Amino acid sequence: GQNIDQPTEMTATEGAIVQINCTYQTSGFNGLFWYQQHAGEAPTFLSYNVLDGLEEKGRFSSFLSRSKGYSYLLLKELQMKDSASYLCAAMDSNYQLIWGAGTKLIIKP
Amino acid sequence: GAVVSQHPSWVICKSGTSVKIECRSLDFQATTMFWYRQFPKQSLMLMATSNEGSKATYEQGVEKDKFLINHASLTLSTLTVTSAHPEDSSFYICSAGGQARNEQYFGPGTRLTVT
Repeated sequence: GQNIDQPTEMTATEGAIVQINCTYQTSGFNGLFWYQQHAGEAPTFLSYNVLDGLEEKGRFSSFLSRSKGYSYLLLKELQMKDSASYLCAAMDSNYQLIWGAGTKLIIKP
Repeated sequence: GAVVSQHPSWVICKSGTSVKIECRSLDFQATTMFWYRQFPKQSLMLMATSNEGSKATYEQGVEKDKFLINHASLTLSTLTVTSAHPEDSSFYICSAGGQARNEQYFGPGTRLTVT
């Protein structure tokens, strides 16, 4: 079956770094997405990885290892506004997104 | 670019009535649009995939007669929740596929509350 696993909740301190892990199992693979979702809002796109390695975009970076079925989202210099849910989604061979349950990130001052 | 709108952003209706939600791609044409539902503290669940000019493909467990999807043009897809019940209360989100098959652009979502 197809499955995405990510931690339910994480807590970090303002200004610090946090890494949110995601493992996936899909029928075929056409990329790994990370989205940010604030409460009551739709997801907003953060990153897309289809090749192994690290993609850096400002304070956010995303890493993919296809052989391990593993990705992580790294958030640096955390700000209070980063408090949100972070959704990992893998695209399968039919180009359908398989979604994780999301990781709620709590930032403390 | 790649902006998707949804209307209404929130709606309250009485049990037994029908509600229509519109999803529009504002600055691009979308051959494929996706409809998701999200219950509180849960992830997105794909309900159906609609292709312009053809019938929607529904995911297992989603009643096609209850959730009517129409994708009449390359910029508009509608989801009609027929005979709504309180358990249909949810956050409904659409996304529009871009030119590349790995592209999806999300609308802002519609909060449906059935009383």
